[in-house]
Amino acid sequence: SQTIHQWPATLVQPVGSPLSLECTVEGTSNPNLYWYRQAAGRGLQLLFYSIGIDQISSEVPQNLSASRPQDRQFILSSKKLLLSDSGFYLCAWSLGLGVYEQYFGPGTRLTVT
Amino acid sequence: AQSVTQLDSQVPVFEEAPVELRCNYSSSVSVYLFWYVQYPNQGLQLLLKYLSGSTLVKGINGFEAEFNKSQTSFHLRKPSVHISDTAEYFCAVTLTQGGSEKLVFGKGTKLTVNP
Repeated sequence: SQTIHQWPATLVQPVGSPLSLECTVEGTSNPNLYWYRQAAGRGLQLLFYSIGIDQISSEVPQNLSASRPQDRQFILSSKKLLLSDSGFYLCAWSLGLGVYEQYFGPGTRLTVT
Repeated sequence: AQSVTQLDSQVPVFEEAPVELRCNYSSSVSVYLFWYVQYPNQGLQLLLKYLSGSTLVKGINGFEAEFNKSQTSFHLRKPSVHISDTAEYFCAVTLTQGGSEKLVFGKGTKLTVNP
């Protein structure tokens, strides 16, 4: 069966510091991968979407970036965090090829101070 | 473009009462529809999905939803809720744009089940 991991689970970082959040999927090949941010009262905001290695679409202009160094690994990064980057970050995967349902990881709670 | 509206941001109910969480979508093309549940500080879990066929869809934990094309709705129901159903519920619709396979989510409904 497929599983999705995210780490760290929680993170407190000062403004201006770098960020690296990692997501890995097990039990499937060539998944579509997604990064979402969930801010209080604002639902889910899609940040990045990837259909394969080095195929990443950015949905929202911001100071975040994403990379996919391996088929089942998705990394969210920032060079300098802003206060507004605080939130709950969720990674998700789907099979693609017309199968739309997404499966979510446990999330990372980021607090920028 | 597709969009999703969850009409109630918060729904309080008593234990063992029925509940309906409302979801309306806008789309000019055929859509797939989903309901997800999120417990505090956890990821989203798929409750149920409508792809085609019967308009009444049954999911996990005793939930069901009915797809109504004429009213562009996909309301979630449960005949008798438990304390453990307290969570946030998200409705989602497929986004068909440029061959992408993405979902558009509503802003969520917080269900609170009181004893």
